[in-house]
Amino acid sequence: QQQVKQSPQSLIVQKGGISIINCAYENTAFDYFPWYQQFPGKGPALLIAIRPDVSEKKEGRFTISFNKSAKQFSLHIMDSQPGDSATYFCAAKFTGNQFYFGTGTSLTVIP
Amino acid sequence: DTAVSQTPKYLVTQMGNDKSIKCEQNLGHDTMYWYKQDSKKFLKIMFSYNNKELIINETVPNRFSPKSPDKAHLNLHINSLELGDSAVYFCASSQLGTPQETQYFGPGTRLLVL
Repeated sequence: QQQVKQSPQSLIVQKGGISIINCAYENTAFDYFPWYQQFPGKGPALLIAIRPDVSEKKEGRFTISFNKSAKQFSLHIMDSQPGDSATYFCAAKFTGNQFYFGTGTSLTVIP
Repeated sequence: DTAVSQTPKYLVTQMGNDKSIKCEQNLGHDTMYWYKQDSKKFLKIMFSYNNKELIINETVPNRFSPKSPDKAHLNLHINSLELGDSAVYFCASSQLGTPQETQYFGPGTRLLVL
């Protein structure tokens, strides 16, 4: 079964707007939650990550919000730019080394 | 310097053939992975090796066989290729116990089975 559920499947945002992608998980043993960005023809690359002991992490225009009680985390892209157009994956991992990926969100930022 | 490299980048072959994809990482990581990404972009874990030992072996047809000659290399051999094997295959590596523990992905091998 899908360990990490991601929504929406696709997202269209105007330049300058806020893009929000949501993920939910069931397994409370997960202790590391990365987000990956994938451009066409490239491999996924780490964008930003969070551990469950903090509720928010910000790096430039990218912010992860983490709600441990609701078992949800989300990626916010502020001031979205056309260059942010890509597929975004959330993921979760617990001790050990298997990563569980969400199904991906295709983001298009319209100029 | 490329951190995780894969060869070949593109692979076009006939059904029934056997092919191999090679992966190398120069990050000094102890864990390597193979993922399959289908046309809907879904990333599916196939195998994981830690220090040359197989530790994750998801439900994958036994036509797929990984081989890790050393910590820096993880190859994927596919026997009797089928149309449904057409996908992008990504190699990745990670190092357990580091603050990030994240995975670094290769550029992918685009396999097309005709």
